[in-house]
Amino acid sequence: DTEVTQTPKHLVMGMTNKKSLKCEQHMGHRAMYWYKQKAKKPPELMFVYSYEKLSINESVPSRFSPECPNSSLLNLHLHALQPEDSALYLCASSQGAGGAEQFFGPGTRLTVL
Amino acid sequence: QKEVEQDPGPLSVPEGAIVSLNCTYSNSAFQYFMWYRQYSRKGPELLMYTYSSGNKEDGRFTAQVDKSSKYISLFIRDSQPSDSATYLCAMSEGAQKLVFGQGTRLTINP
Repeated sequence: DTEVTQTPKHLVMGMTNKKSLKCEQHMGHRAMYWYKQKAKKPPELMFVYSYEKLSINESVPSRFSPECPNSSLLNLHLHALQPEDSALYLCASSQGAGGAEQFFGPGTRLTVL
Repeated sequence: QKEVEQDPGPLSVPEGAIVSLNCTYSNSAFQYFMWYRQYSRKGPELLMYTYSSGNKEDGRFTAQVDKSSKYISLFIRDSQPSDSATYLCAMSEGAQKLVFGQGTRLTINP
């Protein structure tokens, strides 16, 4: 089973709202990732968690706050977003800290009004 | 110059044709090479994963890596309309960060 699940599928929020995206994998992978993808562009790395610890933050604005409650779950907390943050948010996981073979979830399509 | 170059297309071919997609790169430290397929409004799906140079075959798909030329390819045999998607190459030194190409939009015409 190489499945990464993400909820919700779609999310519309106002600029003053607080919302969270959720990602789950049951493959025993020890690294999990958040990516942002704009239309017709490749995914851009935001955060990496390795063994439940934040190992990479690609200078993401603080209005995005990641959390890894356990080895299977990854959350992305959203607060005071801007319309330009509208995008497809993808979660991925990989078996080890090396992280080359990454499996992606279906994504959450976020619209910020 | 981008670290990974991929022709964005669009590329349109008739059903049954052999499709060749490729990427070039500049970082000689890349060791891991991947091809992802992404349907519209979906997440990328890992198609092929290769370590170092060589060929790898999986059904109708063949991935080739030529590290001496810094060039990777994906061949699709007997292409089907269901292969219509964006194909992304991705590479890594092995340290969690993937570097993606821009993606090639492929359409297979029935």
